[in-house]
This record gives sequence, structure tokens and C-alpha cells, in this order.
Amino acid sequence: GENVEQHPSTLSVQEGDSAVIKCTYSDSASNYFPWYKQELGKRPQLIIDIRSNVGEKKDQRIAVTLNKTAKHFSLHITETQPEDSAVYFCAAWDSSYKLIFGSGTRLLVRP
Amino acid sequence: KAGVTQTPRYLIKTRGQQVTLSCSPISGHRSVSWYQQTPGQGLQFLFEYFSETQRNKGNFPGRFSGRQFSNSRSEMNVSTLELGDSALYLCASSLGRSPSSGNTIYFGEGSWLTVV
Repeated sequence: GENVEQHPSTLSVQEGDSAVIKCTYSDSASNYFPWYKQELGKRPQLIIDIRSNVGEKKDQRIAVTLNKTAKHFSLHITETQPEDSAVYFCAAWDSSYKLIFGSGTRLLVRP
Repeated sequence: KAGVTQTPRYLIKTRGQQVTLSCSPISGHRSVSWYQQTPGQGLQFLFEYFSETQRNKGNFPGRFSGRQFSNSRSEMNVSTLELGDSALYLCASSLGRSPSSGNTIYFGEGSWLTVV
């Protein structure tokens, strides 16, 4: 089955800097990769997703890149703000229609 | 449009008891999945229902079960509760099962279960 690895587990950046979170997956048939942001005590919220027929997708300060050959995808947040502080999860929708999550990255944006 | 609704939001149970959690998906969504979230294990897939049938099951013991009704609402049940079952149980819904264009997965606020 699918296995998703996520790095780093914690990330601390200065406000205004960029943050990058990386994930790798194992099932070459996976074709949908969402990213969720979870604030303390709240639900995971979809922030951006990418399907396997594109290599990059951008939404304002957030972008995701996908390298199908290497089976890895990354989340890029530019001009970070304190409200970006949260836990971020990557996920892969595998060939058996299950959403498999990475272990999460705790992002802290220092003002 | 209402989001995914889960009830109850918080509950405390004693070891050995059973619990039933409820999930109402977004209107029109037919696929409902359940996840367990714990600090140590992250988000773990429990099971998925579509058209009242369990389509997928994660690696959890048989004490964990669920069902889906004709209106797509779903319930999950945990019998003979153990201390380790304390977790946030998240329900998610999507239009269908395939990650085709326009089909995304949305989560409810979750049910916080504490087993004492």
C-alpha cells in the first residue's frame, strides 16, 4: 500500500521568509496530492492540491510542485506570516481510493 | 452550503464501554471516510463508505466498525473501549471515490473521545 513520508517534522522560520515542506510517496499509481493545514483544536483544512497531470500549482503565497518520476511533492509558502503557524499535512490518494497522510510538519513563524 | 458535521464533539467514556459517533457529509457527497488522529500516530485511515457499502478498511481491530445510511450519513462504533482509543475521530466526505477533477475531500471538526 501507499506510504507517505514528510519532512521536516518541525520548521521554524522568521516572518517574511519562505517555508518548504517535502513529501515522498511510494505508490506510483497515486494521482492526487492534497495539502491540509490544521490549527490547534481544529479540523484539517485543504489549502491546495495538485493532480498528477500538472507539475506545479500556485495560489497566492502558496505553491505545490510535483515530480512524478521521483515520486515527491513539496509545499512552498512565501512571505510567511504568524497566522501561517500550524501543522501541515501532505497526503496521497492511493490506487485503492484511500487518502494516506504524512506525519505532519509543525510550522512556527516567528514575528 | 453546510460543511461536514460531526456529533458529539466531545465525550468521555470508561474502559469497556462502547461509543457511536455520527457524521453528516456535505450535501451531495456520497463518499464518507473516517480517520483517527493521535499525537503519536498522526492521521490513520479507519474505513471508507460509498453507497452504503464499506469499500476500504484500514488496519484497525474489529472493535472498530461503521455503517452508512441511504442519505449518506455515516456512523462509526467502537466497542470494548481501551485507553489507547482516546483520540480525535475525523470524518471526511467527497463527491465520489476517485480524485478526478473537482472531487476533493473535506473534513469535519471531529469528535474528541477520551477513554478513562
